[in-house]
Amino acid sequence: ETGVTQSPTHLIKTRGQQVTLRCSSQSGHNTVSWYQQALGQGPQFIFQYYREEENGRGNFPPRFSGLQFPNYSSELNVNALELDDSALYLCASSDDRGQETQYFGPGTRLLVL
Amino acid sequence: KQEVTQIPAALSVPEGENLVLNCSFTDSAIYNLQWFRQDPGKGLTSLLLIQSSQREQTSGRLNASLDKSSGRSTLYIAASQPGDSATYLCAEQGAQKLVFGQGTRLTINP
Repeated sequence: ETGVTQSPTHLIKTRGQQVTLRCSSQSGHNTVSWYQQALGQGPQFIFQYYREEENGRGNFPPRFSGLQFPNYSSELNVNALELDDSALYLCASSDDRGQETQYFGPGTRLLVL
Repeated sequence: KQEVTQIPAALSVPEGENLVLNCSFTDSAIYNLQWFRQDPGKGLTSLLLIQSSQREQTSGRLNASLDKSSGRSTLYIAASQPGDSATYLCAEQGAQKLVFGQGTRLTINP
């Protein structure tokens, strides 16, 4: 158990809809990173939040956005869903902007139809 | 561009064998190199983290090495067990993000 939780565990949406995924970090961790993992692939970095500010972004369009709250919770929002957004979404909690061990949650499996 | 490659993509061995998983990376300025385990449909479990100044780390039957000059890391699993069956991912830690390989799917046959 990493102490990182994510909700929901599974989600089905249709193309064009919007979705919000949630993550609860380990207490005291000031950094949360989000990753997208397509089937059979390694996770791809979406973005990182450090002390409630975006601190780096991967090669994802602006329709992927996020928020980090003072209570160690965070959100990943995806607008205008596309079929290729179907994936496992993982959040990772860490200290010091992710340069130490990152602790991953169990993920949210998103299916876009 | 940071790239991480894992070979082989899949490996099947009989129980009890010692085995080595390989990982190569392109960024010599890494902060650390991490190995993760992922069970089907699940999140990632951190196995070992090797700081850039270290050469290896050990945890139980697992030993990971790091050679920055050649851009290689290996994960050695001793006396494999069926419960070791999973996908193993290596990841290099850059300034902000982890860059992952595609993983090696390991099957240990009883």
